[in-house]
Amino acid sequence: KNEVEQSPQNLTAQEGEFITINCSYSVGISALHWLQQHPGGGIVSLFMLSSGKKKHGRLIATINIQEKHSSLHITASHPRDSAVYICAVQKGGSNYKLTFGKGTLLTVNP
Amino acid sequence: DAGVIQSPRHEVTEMGQEVTLRCKPISGHDYLFWYRQTMMRGLELLIYFNNNVPIDDSGMPEDRFSAKMPNASFSTLKIQPSEPRDSAVYFCASSFSGDQPQHFGDGTRLSIL
Repeated sequence: KNEVEQSPQNLTAQEGEFITINCSYSVGISALHWLQQHPGGGIVSLFMLSSGKKKHGRLIATINIQEKHSSLHITASHPRDSAVYICAVQKGGSNYKLTFGKGTLLTVNP
Repeated sequence: DAGVIQSPRHEVTEMGQEVTLRCKPISGHDYLFWYRQTMMRGLELLIYFNNNVPIDDSGMPEDRFSAKMPNASFSTLKIQPSEPRDSAVYFCASSFSGDQPQHFGDGTRLSIL
């Protein structure tokens, strides 16, 4: 079993819909990252969080350390949000290695 | 400020050839990471450096792979000899410190024929 599991693998939405992508992990962590990758494109760091909630524009990331679970929400989704969203965990201590989920492919139709 | 710069963007070469991928991190960033992305395995860390010193190379597949960071502004990832299964997108990323977000380069798309 992978240490980082994302769901769903694929998600199709209509423009304007509220979107949730989930990430569960099975190890102790010091931080969790959400990354965005457009098709054929580079990778952008969206959030890095170790507790609570962070918001940036229409994106919100939450984490529950006790339940080993994080969610990425997109409000008022737009076709330009179509991308792969990747969850990654940093196990902590002095090792900053990231372990990645397989990603969620989001398609937002106009 | 310029982001992480990788070169080349694309590389196509024949099996057995030596391949060298290059990365220039963001100035002032002390951490540099090399990742590989494939359809089958997703993103994987190969190696990371702190202040030019390799810290964790447990993801380097085998002796054919080597990485160096001779100074704070330059790193290389070498594959010798290359094999078709090395075909992937290789990303370099840097961060100010280990507990800060990472900034990724645009990647090098490598095809080994």
